Amino acid sequence: GDSVTQTEGLVTLTEGLPVMLNCTYQTIYSNPFLFWYVHYLNESPRLLLKSSTDNKRTEHQGFHATLHKSSSSFHLQKSSAQLSDSALYYCALSEAGANTGKLTFGHGTILRVHP
Amino acid sequence: EAAVTQSPRNKVAVTGGKVTLSCNQTNNHNNMYWYRQDTGHGLRLIHYSYGAGSTEKGDIPDGYKASRPSQENFSLILELATPSQTSVYFCASGAGTGYQDTQYFGPGTRLLVL
Repeated sequence: GDSVTQTEGLVTLTEGLPVMLNCTYQTIYSNPFLFWYVHYLNESPRLLLKSSTDNKRTEHQGFHATLHKSSSSFHLQKSSAQLSDSALYYCALSEAGANTGKLTFGHGTILRVHP
Repeated sequence: EAAVTQSPRNKVAVTGGKVTLSCNQTNNHNNMYWYRQDTGHGLRLIHYSYGAGSTEKGDIPDGYKASRPSQENFSLILELATPSQTSVYFCASGAGTGYQDTQYFGPGTRLLVL
């Protein structure tokens, strides 16, 4: 079945440094849809960005990600971390073959930004 | 803005007791989902539904039942709660238009089973 791997459980950064959260996936389908969800403390998880277009940069709220089908990756990046970016980030893959809207989530990466 | 609410927000239950977690959405979405969130495991799908009267097993359905009596409501039922079911539970809804759907999450229910 589908799977999503987020290699870092915790990323700690100093404010102002670049952010990169890794996400790789496995699927038998040739047209996957990838998502990044963000979960701030005491809030509901919500969509940050999504894409199914190979090699096209998708941006939202200062974050960006590019789906690379050749390497099965969808890494999340930001040029300069802010304290307010501290949250739990999930990469997720949609079940493309069945078209059910079901998502397979990675284990999540906690991003902690300190002054 | 999509609106998904959950009740209760916090629940303490005893082992062997019955627990019902409720979810309501006002988005007229077809699909609804129940997840649990655990450190080291992320969000794992328990049950989901395509519409009123339908329930489907997710990836970790054992020990859980689900009920979708209407478009708006989706419940998760623990008939015999166990300490291993202590977790944070999230409900989500999605339009059901395809695999590009965005899911909209509720605020979560923190369940402690003693």
